[in-house]
Amino acid sequence: QSVLTQPPSVSAAPGQKVTISCSGSSSNIGNNYVSWYQQLPGTAPKLLIYENNKRPSGIPDRFSGSKSGTSATLGITGLQTGDEADYYCGTWNSNLSAYVFGTGTKVTVL
Amino acid sequence: EVQLVESGGGLVQPGRSLRLSCAASGFTFNDYAMHWVRQAPGKGLEWVSGISWNSGNIGYADSVKGRFSISRDNAKNSLYLQMNSLRAEDTALYYCAKGTVVVVVNSHFDYWGQGSLVTVSS
Repeated sequence: QSVLTQPPSVSAAPGQKVTISCSGSSSNIGNNYVSWYQQLPGTAPKLLIYENNKRPSGIPDRFSGSKSGTSATLGITGLQTGDEADYYCGTWNSNLSAYVFGTGTKVTVL
Repeated sequence: EVQLVESGGGLVQPGRSLRLSCAASGFTFNDYAMHWVRQAPGKGLEWVSGISWNSGNIGYADSVKGRFSISRDNAKNSLYLQMNSLRAEDTALYYCAKGTVVVVVNSHFDYWGQGSLVTVSS
């Protein structure tokens, strides 16, 4: 049972925007940086956002991250069919002394 | 180009052992902590273990503590995961992942291998 909660799925038409929430606690999101990972079907996860809102080189600015209190949000604008994937938030959990991932959200482009 | 290549997976009976390896290249291996993350079939990601640059700091998920052991050989640019007393619930694709700092804590994972499949079944 993950300590970070995400919606199981979100969907939108091409060109539209989706947001994915990640809810945690003061033991994890509240006091640590949040990262987001994209996992395309049949592939390894890929870093999308780190330190709450920073994008690695090569990640388009259609992807954005934010954090407020014990929750974080990933936003995807200008949705494309190639964005269909599973998305996971992740952060360090101080109480568990372990890295924790969210439950994962499947993005579907209608 | 950073590359992480896992090996050592396979089919193993419950209670037996298996050792995974991860060969790293394209970066200064001993400048970063390294991690293992697993994904059971059709399930989400689960952090398994992490090891600091000099092996001085190690962490494990509660689900594997006491059964799994992580290690690294900086001279060989390699990461290992010794898995003992394997259970059916350990069946998963095991990813090697590069941390972004020297320590295990407060890191994220900027590069991932393609994974090594471990199946625990009689």
